[in-house]
Amino acid sequence: SAVISQKPSRDICQRGTSLTIQCQVDSQVTMMFWYRQQPGQSLTLIATANQGSEATYESGFVIDKFPISRPNLTFSTLTVSNMSPEDSSIYLCSATTGRENYGYTFGSGTRLTVV
Amino acid sequence: AQSVTQPDIHITVSEGASLELRCNYSYGATPYLFWYVQSPGQGLQLLLKYFSGDTLVQGIKGFEAEFKRSQSSFNLRKPSVHWSDAAEYFCAVGVSGGYNKLIFGAGTRLAVHP
Repeated sequence: SAVISQKPSRDICQRGTSLTIQCQVDSQVTMMFWYRQQPGQSLTLIATANQGSEATYESGFVIDKFPISRPNLTFSTLTVSNMSPEDSSIYLCSATTGRENYGYTFGSGTRLTVV
Repeated sequence: AQSVTQPDIHITVSEGASLELRCNYSYGATPYLFWYVQSPGQGLQLLLKYFSGDTLVQGIKGFEAEFKRSQSSFNLRKPSVHWSDAAEYFCAVGVSGGYNKLIFGAGTRLAVHP
């Protein structure tokens, strides 16, 4: 299955600033996703990153707050904009080939603390 | 709407004891089902997955899970737990409809007593 490199692994940011998280996959994948894991919680899907078009956001998440890019089949970025302490979470990138074996791979996550 | 329920938030077992973690899903079609494990400060590791065929699925680290369509369940089992199994376990369902996204349950935190 694909291997995902996600960076930064952690960051501490000032409120009101923005952070861009990068996700690099070592092979071409069909679908890429961004999840948020708030402290002590499960994973919540933020959006599906579509190659060459706008991302598809889940209910409760908007493009102005979480702009996403996916310029090619192996790379995506998530930006957390105008951060507040409530954005302190782990953000995870995921990818799948979408083929029958349905392998979903996850990055190691970015632990974000907003102060 | 699709959903995944893990009714047990915390489970504590003794090392060497058997383990069963429960997972129920709500999804209209045949689901793709997954179990992931997350150790403290670590990413998600896939334990096993079910797409079709044999309803008893073998995974890594001695884990297995059984898909029961009549009960909408996909419970995870291990016959003898090791201290290193202490972690958070997530059940997830793969949703079709164009985007193949995963919906996760709330997770079960497993503690293992020596």
